[in-house]
Amino acid sequence: KAGVTQTPRYLIKTRGQQVTLSCSPISGHRSVSWYQQTPGQGLQFLFEYFSETQRNKGNFPGRFSGRQFSNSRSEMNVSTLELGDSALYLCASSPGTGTNQPQHFGDGTRLSIL
Amino acid sequence: QKEVEQDPGPLSVPEGAIVSLNCTYSNSAFQYFMWYRQYSRKGPELLMYTYSSGNKEDGRFTAQVDKSSKYISLFIRDSQPSDSATYLCASSPNTGGFKTIFGAGTRLFVKA
Repeated sequence: KAGVTQTPRYLIKTRGQQVTLSCSPISGHRSVSWYQQTPGQGLQFLFEYFSETQRNKGNFPGRFSGRQFSNSRSEMNVSTLELGDSALYLCASSPGTGTNQPQHFGDGTRLSIL
Repeated sequence: QKEVEQDPGPLSVPEGAIVSLNCTYSNSAFQYFMWYRQYSRKGPELLMYTYSSGNKEDGRFTAQVDKSSKYISLFIRDSQPSDSATYLCASSPNTGGFKTIFGAGTRLFVKA
């Protein structure tokens, strides 16, 4: 069974630009969560999608947004990039609520802002 | 105070040693406890997943949860250089999703 796939693996952008990251969950998984990982803050929750609906959102500014498609694939977008947005962005999928199954992560997209 | 506290290390041990990794948590509602292993340039990989208190063993790995003291542990027996990675503990009141809180991760080095 294929794991969680994130593209691209690496991205370099400059301040003020915007970026879109993609995540394909494990087949059959309907819940997708996004996290930001930095050395100083660790793993911080961004948002969670289930059946194309955002169920929960972390404490990040509105520049961070996401969506989920009918095939459960998800994208996140960051607009007006800032230097502090440099991080590893991780996507995790799980079957969904009530299944007692934990999340599985992809290898992330490493975003560098110059 | 963070909801899940984990010593970032680094922790350095010789090959073959028993490794003990620990976390504490503060939220009594946490019911699910996970350990993830993360190699450099890779995403976290689920190692162990337990519900409520007790022990769970998988090969050289044993996860232990003590809800009375809000203490979770991961033991690695016969540690190998390939175990060198960052280990993240995580806790949640339910499965997956936004209420999963991660520790900072402990960097482990196993020396050959």
